[in-house]
Order: sequence, then C-alpha cells, then structure tokens
Amino acid sequence: EPEVTQTPSHQVTQMGQEVILRCVPISNHLYFYWYRQILGQKVEFLVSFYNNEISEKSEIFDDQFSVERPDGSNFTLKIRSTKLEDSAMYFCASKFTGTGNTIYFGEGSWLTVV
Amino acid sequence: GENVEQHPSTLSVQEGDSAVIKCTYSDSASNYFPWYKQELGKGPQLIIDIRSNVGEKKDQRIAVTLNKTAKHFSLHITETQPEDSAVYFCAASGLRFGNEKLTFGTGTRLTIIP
Repeated sequence: EPEVTQTPSHQVTQMGQEVILRCVPISNHLYFYWYRQILGQKVEFLVSFYNNEISEKSEIFDDQFSVERPDGSNFTLKIRSTKLEDSAMYFCASKFTGTGNTIYFGEGSWLTVV
Repeated sequence: GENVEQHPSTLSVQEGDSAVIKCTYSDSASNYFPWYKQELGKGPQLIIDIRSNVGEKKDQRIAVTLNKTAKHFSLHITETQPEDSAVYFCAASGLRFGNEKLTFGTGTRLTIIP
C-alpha cells in the first residue's frame, strides 16, 4: 500500500537553529498537510498546501514556519529559528483530490529542541 | 473555529467486550468525521469515517454513529482484541472542495485486558 514517508524520524537541534523536515507524499496526491503533536496532546493542524501555494494555515504557523514543494515529489517544512516549544512530533499528510477522500499520515518526525 | 471534545481519555476493556468512544463537535458546518488509530511511535491511521448524510457506518468490528442534531459521533469496537490497544482520535472537518482541515479530539487511550 502506498504511504507517506518522512525524514528524519528523529532530530535534536539547538534552540535558534533552522530545521527542515522532509516528506514524500503519496505519488498521485495533490493536497499536502503538516500537523504537529506535542507529547501527550492532540494532533494540531499547521498548514495545507495545494497547487504550489498555501491554502490555509493555523495561528501556530507563524513567520518562523514555511513550506515548500521544491520538486515533484518532496514537501518540506522549515522552521527558521527553533524554540523550545517547537519540540513535537510533526506529521506530514496527503490526499488525492476531491471532497471526502482519505487523508493519509506519515509516521512522523520527532523534533527535540534543546 | 471548530472544537472537538472526546471522552473518555482512557478506557480499559476486557478482551472480547465492546468499547465505545464519544466525541462532540461545535461547528454545525462540519460534515466529515474520521476516526484515527495511533499506535506508539507511529502516525495516525484512518480506521473509519462518516459523512453527514449518513447516520451509521460499519466495517467488520468497527462502527461509527453520527447524530447531527446533537453534534456528536461515536466509535464502537465490538469483540475487542489485544491489537485494538492504541490511542484513538476522532476528528471533524467541513468539507470544501479538496481542502479539509481536520480538527482532532484529545484522544482516548484504549487498553484491552487479555
């Protein structure tokens, strides 16, 4: 079964450093998402991306965050200057198209900011 | 915006018995309600979903019911097995063409006692 793949699985970074989390969505999918989950809390929406632009973002997704689809396969989340409170599991997700299709999640990238 | 409440936060069930998890949502415009299962260290995996034009949906041992008037929906797992032990999240979304943003509940840790 096709799946969303994410790298790295775990990254430790110093506060203030830039981090790039990478995702390869399912190949024929057109809608891409980033969600995050702080340890022990619920999954929270960060941003959605379609047709090479952000379609919606949450209040969490401030100027320190950016997303990019640099080629036909990768979808990246960049955090410019990490803060301690950015420590979380970040999930990439993708969806084929149309209304009501399943959103598939990757296994996550665990980011620890020290 | 949408707010999803989920109960209980933890649930222990004897193997073979049924488990019920309940969610309420606030936005009457929401019309898509998926349930995700999250195993330790993995991403959320869709197990069943329901749309607002349907009151109930069943897939083998798993069923979901939706009451749009009361704005609540429930997950029912029958004949529970040890492999059902996981964290379960409900979510809600207002379907627009293509771009659903999921709002998740706080999760239920289900433990099946052998």
